[in-house]
Amino acid sequence: AQKITQTQPGMFVQEKEAVTLDCTYDTSDPSYGLFWYKQPSSGEMIFLIYQGSYDQQNATEGRYSLNFQKARKSANLVISASQLGDSAMYFCAMREGLAQAGTALIFGKGTTLSVSS
Amino acid sequence: EAGVAQSPRYKIIEKRQSVAFWCNPISGHATLYWYQQILGQGPKLLIQFQNNGVVDDSQLPKDRFSAERLKGVDSTLKIQPAKLEDSAVYLCASSPRGRAYEQYFGPGTRLTVT
Repeated sequence: AQKITQTQPGMFVQEKEAVTLDCTYDTSDPSYGLFWYKQPSSGEMIFLIYQGSYDQQNATEGRYSLNFQKARKSANLVISASQLGDSAMYFCAMREGLAQAGTALIFGKGTTLSVSS
Repeated sequence: EAGVAQSPRYKIIEKRQSVAFWCNPISGHATLYWYQQILGQGPKLLIQFQNNGVVDDSQLPKDRFSAERLKGVDSTLKIQPAKLEDSAVYLCASSPRGRAYEQYFGPGTRLTVT
């Protein structure tokens, strides 16, 4: 079974609008972390936001927020006020186990976001 | 602070040839990861080092891939012999000790096998 599922291959949004990128995950480990990364055409993976499984509040980083619904095992990324520079591939990822354990990330297949003017 | 460095950035080889990639993690980072990203997919872990010891290499095709991290700093990933399906971007990432949720990625090496 897929550990990370991103069901939207592509999303289109106009500048200044908000957009939600979906991510669902599957784990039986009570300790886990959820990440979103941006990968522009240059190829580098850029960390956007992190949510720990025990965090009570949804994570926010500037224009990025993570809509964490633990019971539904979803961790959707919300980008407010989209900009042309937001056009890129977005990956949801999960780390299982304690943060200190240093386990590798499991990535979804990604969603391509296109922002138009 | 310098980021994760990788070289070369691009490599084109013929099948059955060998190739090596190099990664220099952020100074002081104990954990180093090599990921393989095939076009249109998310990265997949190949191998993880903690200092110079292997933590996880369960998804490394050991008949053709090898990796080492001498002295717990730089790392090299080798493919010998390469196959067409090895065409991918090879990403190196590192994490500081005790903060494994922070993974910093390098720019990647794009390998094309013809």
